[in-house]
Amino acid sequence: ILNVEQSPQSLHVQEGDSTNFTCSFPSSNFYALHWYRWETAKSPEALFVMTLNGDEKKKGRISATLNTKEGYSYLYIKGSQPEDSATYLCAFRSSQAGTALIFGKGTTLSVSS
Amino acid sequence: SAVISQKPSRDICQRGTSLTIQCQVDSQVTMMFWYRQQPGQSLTLIATANQGSEATYESGFVIDKFPISRPNLTFSTLTVSNMSPEDSSIYLCSVGGQGGNEQYFGPGTRLTVT
Repeated sequence: ILNVEQSPQSLHVQEGDSTNFTCSFPSSNFYALHWYRWETAKSPEALFVMTLNGDEKKKGRISATLNTKEGYSYLYIKGSQPEDSATYLCAFRSSQAGTALIFGKGTTLSVSS
Repeated sequence: SAVISQKPSRDICQRGTSLTIQCQVDSQVTMMFWYRQQPGQSLTLIATANQGSEATYESGFVIDKFPISRPNLTFSTLTVSNMSPEDSSIYLCSVGGQGGNEQYFGPGTRLTVT
């Protein structure tokens, strides 16, 4: 059974703080790792699709790294803002399982002003 | 990216009844996916729906419980049949992107079964 773990489950930071979350996934049969941002009552928003070991991607104040050999990815948010409050999901795609995405339970971030 | 809409956005249903969820995409797509998120759980793939063929269901999901239609390249429906409180979830449809790696999601249907 493929398992994707995210930590922490939730966290609360102050505006301006930088923070990071972890996604752990199987280190074998890797195809891609997805990060999504999901606000209540909205569609999950695709942040990054990462495919290569050592990949580092950036979108504004948000960046992500990927280590496929040890099976983890970090998502960083620099200078958190209240609008960053959301649940951040990672999803693993195996080379053995077609297009299915295996999701973690997410990290819920709350940013106070 | 694709723009995806779902109807209804939320519903409260009695046990034993059925609900059909609609998913509309603003462009033609080959593959559409249906996911659900039960409270406190991960988003889980229910089935993959390709136009012109039977949907492919993941382990633990069956066609009698979750029949899917895919009449054309921009539309799909998922029916949750003979509902029980355990079916209370957020149901999302998703489509593959042009690049092959991306998946885009609708806003979800929040279902509560009483």
